[in-house]
Amino acid sequence: DGGITQSPKYLFRKEGQNVTLSCEQNLNHDAMYWYRQDPGQGLRLIYYSQIVNDFQKGDIAEGYSVSREKKESFPLTVTSAQKNPTAFYLCASSAATGSGYGYTFGSGTRLTVV
Amino acid sequence: AQSVAQPEDQVNVAEGNPLTVKCTYSVSGNPYLFWYVQYPNRGLQFLLKYITGDNLVKGSYGFEAEFNKSQTSFHLKKPSALVSDSALYFCAVSDNTGGFKTIFGAGTRLFVKA
Repeated sequence: DGGITQSPKYLFRKEGQNVTLSCEQNLNHDAMYWYRQDPGQGLRLIYYSQIVNDFQKGDIAEGYSVSREKKESFPLTVTSAQKNPTAFYLCASSAATGSGYGYTFGSGTRLTVV
Repeated sequence: AQSVAQPEDQVNVAEGNPLTVKCTYSVSGNPYLFWYVQYPNRGLQFLLKYITGDNLVKGSYGFEAEFNKSQTSFHLKKPSALVSDSALYFCAVSDNTGGFKTIFGAGTRLFVKA
């Protein structure tokens, strides 16, 4: 089945540690996105990528980094500079960044600082 | 600038009764409108979208939404609610002015009581 796989489902980070969240899609979608979800705040865009080897900052990119070396993969690193990283992280993809395309979402990674 | 509002944090309805989840939007050009549903600790699932054409759009699981240009609204409806419809619902909007961005509302939690 085609879809998006996020791993791990749960992740615990110690203070000062960098962690990487995985996102893989087999939908042959060009565009991929990372969102952060906090209770009552909806989804906020962290980074997006329209094509391999290119990505752009979203609304809350500080403390995060990404790479897009392959079309299928768009990993997100939460760095120690992100002071409040506890949240639910969602990866999504779409056929293109044209406005009429809906998104396919992964099942999410819940990150907790310990 | 694009924006989307979901005026109700929570909607309560009895099983078998009709349900409505409200959404209003603001865009520069013609709107592209989406509804997604999220179950606990899961990613968002696409329900339906409006791009052009008939103002009443039918989607998954018996849901439909009505596009009203004069009121800039895109309310989600279902004639007869099920307990299993209980979830978090997100409205999203983008436009046809060439930008890529899809903006998500803050979400409305739907409780269907047996």
